[in-house]
Amino acid sequence: DVKVTQSSRYLVKRTGEKVFLECVQDMDHENMFWYRQDPGLGLRLIYFSYDVKMKEKGDIPEGYSVSREKKERFSLILESASTNQTSMYLCASSWGLGTISYEQYFGPGTRLTVT
Amino acid sequence: QKEVEQNSGPLSVPEGAIASLNCTYSDRGSQSFFWYRQYSGKSPELIMFIYSNGDKEDGRFTAQLNKASQYVSLLIRDSQPSDSATYLCAAGGNFGNEKLTFGTGTRLTIIP
Repeated sequence: DVKVTQSSRYLVKRTGEKVFLECVQDMDHENMFWYRQDPGLGLRLIYFSYDVKMKEKGDIPEGYSVSREKKERFSLILESASTNQTSMYLCASSWGLGTISYEQYFGPGTRLTVT
Repeated sequence: QKEVEQNSGPLSVPEGAIASLNCTYSDRGSQSFFWYRQYSGKSPELIMFIYSNGDKEDGRFTAQLNKASQYVSLLIRDSQPSDSATYLCAAGGNFGNEKLTFGTGTRLTIIP
């Protein structure tokens, strides 16, 4: 069974704080992704990584950074949290080798509230 | 800009009937297609994937793909109240390191 875990289910932070969200997968997947999901807006890709130390901007990277030092771990960093970053954050992973895009497996999500 | 479009619903279906969910995609080069189920407050869960034209069946679920029409559908037979959720359609490209493009989802309600 594929397992993607996220460091927290619920998190409350203050405006201006630095926030770390961590994701770990146990399937030796090459690709890892960070999304946020807001009502009416669907899933929006923040960043993804297709290899260790590699990263690509998604659709909404502003205000976020990422780190992937080990294959199984992908961290999302909010350098200075703002109230408009209150959201559900979802991590996902997938196989990355081959000539098609494979299914992504999601972690349970972190509901972040910035006050 | 690659797009995946779904009717947002809500789609209401009586218990025991067939629920039909539809999705169209803009990138003719898309090669892989996925259906996810998402319960309120939970993360998306993969229920089906399909790569080839035609039908793919798994239990009560059937995914249908028509590449010429750029159309993917999901049929749920013998719908149960536990099928009430939002269903996300996603399309993938030609490379393993490509991201998926997700639709915004269709909310399905099964009426007992």
